[in-house]
Amino acid sequence: ETGVTQSPTHLIKTRGQQVTLRCSSQSGHNTVSWYQQALGQGPQFIFQYYREEENGRGNFPPRFSGLQFPNYSSELNVNALELDDSALYLCASSPDRILRNEQYFGPGTRLTVT
Amino acid sequence: DAKTTQPPSMDCAEGRAANLPCNHSTISGNEYVYWYRQIHSQGPQYIIHGLKNNETNEMASLIITEDRKSSTLILPHATLRDTAVYYCIVRGYSGGGADGLTFGKGTHLIIQP
Repeated sequence: ETGVTQSPTHLIKTRGQQVTLRCSSQSGHNTVSWYQQALGQGPQFIFQYYREEENGRGNFPPRFSGLQFPNYSSELNVNALELDDSALYLCASSPDRILRNEQYFGPGTRLTVT
Repeated sequence: DAKTTQPPSMDCAEGRAANLPCNHSTISGNEYVYWYRQIHSQGPQYIIHGLKNNETNEMASLIITEDRKSSTLILPHATLRDTAVYYCIVRGYSGGGADGLTFGKGTHLIIQP
């Protein structure tokens, strides 16, 4: 186990709704990244937060947004849900910005949009 | 980031060494090779990384060729719990904006009893 926790484990939403997913980093880690993993695919990078600031973003629209809190926990918010947003959402923490490629992943939140 | 090529699947007998290859012929001098694995229904797990020297930790060994164009991840005594998708990723160590890890399709390693 990595010490990274995510909630909820599973979630079902309707198209057009909004969702918030939560992540608690491993103790001492100040960098958090979020990924989306569609069925049968590798994880795709959404964005990264370092000390409460967005530090980089993948090819995802603005309706995907995030927050990082002073205790380094994080939220992923998705507005106006679409059917294609159905996926496993993974949170990963890193010891610091320099070591950001050593990422420790949580178990993920399985989101189903109907 | 340099592109990587991995076989889509491999089998290995339990107790034997599993050798997973990765080609990264366009790797540049400051890029590292990282290996992650993902066991079914779990988040990816960091295994090991290296620049040009061979590396070993409690999970695996990483052998990088002298020209750095390919590498091999070695699980010395594979167990059934090593069945997973293994991802080889090439990344610069630091600097610039953060654009996350780029996961390809990886190699599905199946350990046979």
